[in-house]
Amino acid sequence: GENVEQHPSTLSVQEGDSAVIKCTYSDSASNYFPWYKQELGKGPQLIIDIRSNVGEKKDQRIAVTLNKTAKHFSLHITETQPEDSAVYFCAASSGQGAQKLVFGQGTRLTINP
Amino acid sequence: NAGVMQNPRHLVRRRGQEARLRCSPMKGHSHVYWYRQLPEEGLKFMVYLQKENIIDESGMPKERFSAEFPKEGPSILRIQQVVRGDSAAYFCASSPQGAEQYFGPGTRLTVT
Repeated sequence: GENVEQHPSTLSVQEGDSAVIKCTYSDSASNYFPWYKQELGKGPQLIIDIRSNVGEKKDQRIAVTLNKTAKHFSLHITETQPEDSAVYFCAASSGQGAQKLVFGQGTRLTINP
Repeated sequence: NAGVMQNPRHLVRRRGQEARLRCSPMKGHSHVYWYRQLPEEGLKFMVYLQKENIIDESGMPKERFSAEFPKEGPSILRIQQVVRGDSAAYFCASSPQGAEQYFGPGTRLTVT
């Protein structure tokens, strides 16, 4: 089955700098790759996603890139702000009809003022 | 448009009791997913349902766990004879036509 590896597990950056989180996946049939932000005590919030027919997608300060050949995708956050501090999860679609999501282990991002 | 609703938000059960977790999907969403999250870990898929049908239950333990999504009312995740290892946060997500998944706030189950 699908396996998703996420790095780093923790990341600390200065406010205003950029943050990059990387994920690799194993199942070449995966075709949907969302990113979620989870704050303490809350449910995961979908922040951006990308499908396998697209190489890059951007939404304001957030961008995601996908390399299907290498089976890896990355989240880029520019001009980081304190409210970006949270745990970020990548995921890849898998299973029957590619409906279920397989999640990475998470990255705890801390933005230092 | 209200988001995914889950209740209760916190549930405490003694070993051997039953736990019932409820999930109301977003309006217009007919696909429901349940995931479990242990502390400091990612989410693990349990089951995927559409109205009155279980589509994929490959992540759900064969014993003590069951899920349903009736024609009327919320989706229910039921855990019978709970054990300490069932303590976790349980998240429900809903999706329109099997596209992007939106998560609820979760139910934090504690088994004492």
